[in-house]
Amino acid sequence: AQKVTQAQTEISVVEKEDVTLDCVYETRDTTYYLFWYKQPPSGELVFLIRRNSFDEQNEISGRYSWNFQKSTSSFNFTITASQVVDSAVYFCALSEVNTGTASKLTFGTGTRLQVTL
Amino acid sequence: KAGVTQTPRYLIKTRGQQVTLSCSPISGHRSVSWYQQTPGQGLQFLFEYFSETQRNKGNFPGRFSGRQFSNSRSEMNVSTLELGDSALYLCASSENLEINSPLHFGNGTRLTVT
Repeated sequence: AQKVTQAQTEISVVEKEDVTLDCVYETRDTTYYLFWYKQPPSGELVFLIRRNSFDEQNEISGRYSWNFQKSTSSFNFTITASQVVDSAVYFCALSEVNTGTASKLTFGTGTRLQVTL
Repeated sequence: KAGVTQTPRYLIKTRGQQVTLSCSPISGHRSVSWYQQTPGQGLQFLFEYFSETQRNKGNFPGRFSGRQFSNSRSEMNVSTLELGDSALYLCASSENLEINSPLHFGNGTRLTVT
């Protein structure tokens, strides 16, 4: 069965520090998608990135970057020069072809990031 | 485009009652799914609707049900509420059923059962 593990429950950093959020997944599918979502205190989950299982290229978007390594089943997320506005809970999620739908995501337990001044 | 809208934002109900939550997807999105978020169990998939048909259902008891209307708006209902049903219920919409189609979530409805 599919599983997503976010071992870091909570991380605290000082503004401008770099921080990496870890995500390890398990799946028997060869075709799958990985996602990162951000959940600010307001509650909604904000989509950050999607990566398919055939694309191991790292991606950078502004201060955000993602490192996908199939060899270690990891999809880590790095925030460079963190800001207070980055404070939120971050979720890694997995979507498998065999579920027949994009909507049945398996989420990790989330990592709460606290950025202080 | 307006985002996913969920109403109400907060609900307080008593054990044994029933509750209906509403979700309006992003315009043009035809798939609506529901998730339950609790501190203990995290985010769990409830069900998904597409073109008024339930496509997938998570591992929840029959007390949890939903439906989708022709305009893609969706409702979920929980009958005979239990204390353990207290949670944040999140609705999400996506353009289609493709696996790579990201979900766009609403702010959620926080249900408290007393």
